Amino acid sequence: QKEVEQDPGPLSVPEGAIVSLNCTYSNSAFQYFMWYRQYSRKGPELLMYTYSSGNKEDGRFTAQVDKSSKYISLFIRDSQPSDSATYLCAMSGTGNQFYFGTGTSLTVIP
Amino acid sequence: DADVTQTPRNRITKTGKRIMLECSQTKGHDRMYWYRQDPGLGLRLIYYSFDVKDINKGEISDGYSVSRQAQAKFSLSLESAIPNQTALYFCATSDLQAGSHEQFFGPGTRLTVL
Repeated sequence: QKEVEQDPGPLSVPEGAIVSLNCTYSNSAFQYFMWYRQYSRKGPELLMYTYSSGNKEDGRFTAQVDKSSKYISLFIRDSQPSDSATYLCAMSGTGNQFYFGTGTSLTVIP
Repeated sequence: DADVTQTPRNRITKTGKRIMLECSQTKGHDRMYWYRQDPGLGLRLIYYSFDVKDINKGEISDGYSVSRQAQAKFSLSLESAIPNQTALYFCATSDLQAGSHEQFFGPGTRLTVL
């Protein structure tokens, strides 16, 4: 079983839609949860960072962590064509390694 | 200027050749990582280093070696390249001592082994 599971998509939505991206994980020791955005031919860049359970909001983006279910989500409100990218979830525990999901490809259609 | 740079950006080589990918950072971070990215497999950790004297194997280190020449430089070598090492390679840095779990990625090196 992989440490982190993520639906690869692809996901295609119209502009203005609400997008929900999700990851599940198996390691209960994970405490730090991140979402990265990766544009084509670029390296990933951090979008959201959450410690432990709860919600975090930043503009149109909301990250949710449910440690009891080992499930994390990223919501994008009022999606824009510029949000078209691959979104990777990542997580780590008290150790020193980061575990990434396979990424979900998102296209927002104008 | 980019904080994490990788050279070369693209490389095509033949089976059996020795290849070195280089990574430099100006962020002053102590921790550096090498990942490879493959379609459907995501980012997988090859090696990581917490300082110049510390090297650790990641999930898929076989066929690779690394060298941490200085705090700012971390090189990845393929001693004898094979076609299934064709992938996108990323270097990343982090500064966990500052309490942040963010990783900063370079632009990637696209390697093709024929």
